[in-house]
Amino acid sequence: AQSVAQPEDQVNVAEGNPLTVKCTYSVSGNPYLFWYVQYPNRGLQFLLKYITGDNLVKGSYGFEAEFNKSQTSFHLKKPSALVSDSALYFCAVRRDGSGNTGKLIFGQGTTLQVKP
Amino acid sequence: EAGVAQSPRYKIIEKRQSVAFWCNPISGHATLYWYQQILGQGPKLLIQFQNNGVVDDSQLPKDRFSAERLKGVDSTLKIQPAKLEDSAVYLCASSKKTGDSYEQYFGPGTRLTVT
Repeated sequence: AQSVAQPEDQVNVAEGNPLTVKCTYSVSGNPYLFWYVQYPNRGLQFLLKYITGDNLVKGSYGFEAEFNKSQTSFHLKKPSALVSDSALYFCAVRRDGSGNTGKLIFGQGTTLQVKP
Repeated sequence: EAGVAQSPRYKIIEKRQSVAFWCNPISGHATLYWYQQILGQGPKLLIQFQNNGVVDDSQLPKDRFSAERLKGVDSTLKIQPAKLEDSAVYLCASSKKTGDSYEQYFGPGTRLTVT
C-alpha cells in the first residue's frame, strides 16, 4: 500500500533562514512525488514534482525538493524563507506503471510558520 | 486560463439533510477528482472521472455519496443523508489526463458543516 508521512506537524523558522519540510514515502515501484501548498480558505496549489531524472527538483516561489531513493524521502527546501511562505504544505505520492489510476496519496500536512 | 471553479464555497446543513456541490474543471482537462479534506488531515480521494466515466470510486461511501459527470465537463457531488462526520472541505481537482506525470489543479473547495 502507498503511504506518505510528514513527521512534523509544524515547522517554525525565522525569515531569511533556510527551511526544510520533511516527507517520506512508501510505494511499490517507482514513485511520482508532489508538493502542494494550501493557504487559508483556498485550494491546494501545485509547487513541484519529481517524475524522473535529476534528484533535485526546482519549483514555484523559489522552492526545491530533493528526491532520495535510498531514504525514500522527498524533503521540501528553500534557501531563504519569507513570511509569505507561511502556509500548510502537503506531500503526495503516486505510483507509476500501466493500469494505475493515478490516485494521489497525501500526507497529513505540515504547517510552516515563518516569523519576521 | 481560468482555474477550477466550485460552488458553493460554504454550506451549513443539519444531519440527515441533503447537499450538492458543483465543480467546473479547467477547460480541456479530461480527468476530474473529488477529494474530502477533514480538518487536520490531508485530502482523501473520493472519486475520479476520466471524461464521463468513473475510474476510481473505491473510497466513496456509496450508501450516502453519489457523483456524476454526465457530459464529461461539469460534475456534481451529492450527500444524502448527511452525517456529522461528513463535515469537511470538499475539493475538486482536474488534470489533463489520467497520467502519472500530470499534476492536478485544485479548486477553492466547499466547506461543509453538518450540525
